[in-house]
Amino acid sequence: EADIYQTPRYLVIGTGKKITLECSQTMGHDKMYWYQQDPGMELHLIHYSYGVNSTEKGDLSSESTVSRIRTEHFPLTLESARPSHTSQYLCASSGAGRGDYEQYFGPGTRLTVT
Amino acid sequence: AQTVTQSQPEMSVQEAETVTLSCTYDTSENNYYLFWYKQPPSRQMILVIRQEAYKQQNATENRFSVNFQKAAKSFSLKISDSQLGDTAMYFCAFDGQNFVFGPGTRLSVLP
Repeated sequence: EADIYQTPRYLVIGTGKKITLECSQTMGHDKMYWYQQDPGMELHLIHYSYGVNSTEKGDLSSESTVSRIRTEHFPLTLESARPSHTSQYLCASSGAGRGDYEQYFGPGTRLTVT
Repeated sequence: AQTVTQSQPEMSVQEAETVTLSCTYDTSENNYYLFWYKQPPSRQMILVIRQEAYKQQNATENRFSVNFQKAAKSFSLKISDSQLGDTAMYFCAFDGQNFVFGPGTRLSVLP
């Protein structure tokens, strides 16, 4: 069982609110990722980090931001939520070695913006 | 840039039968890893099987096995003795310079 946690699991929030989705892992992994996924659809990489103080935007343009101040913590923030942000957000992590480790996934946060 | 293609958006199989999911990828790298992930409905994504490109022997995990054809850049997943619990989205993934997921195949196992 992978030790990667996401909170909250479900969130319903009104338009314009600021939200932070939490992701933590206890495996000491250097690499962490955020994906956006509509139910039953493909994964879209929105942010990734290869270590502390390192963050990059992914393939899918996103209005969210991330930070990586501690190795184990990779929160994602939406400054002003919109209905178009309604989706599932998956956090993942992997080891530092290239190809040495697969990505481990958290349970996801299902976000609904009304 | 690497790309991963899964040409079968949806598949179905009868319980106890065998099914093969296709995956092809494009890369100029020689050393890389390939993975198959499973995402059951409303449940967590988990790793099914992985293959190192430098290994010629195909990986096997119980009822799951792969057919890795490096020259053809093909990495198919075979599920033997399909069970109802195998119903899920299956994602093929490539790990080289970047980690890339395919678009997924929705597999339904029918009773």
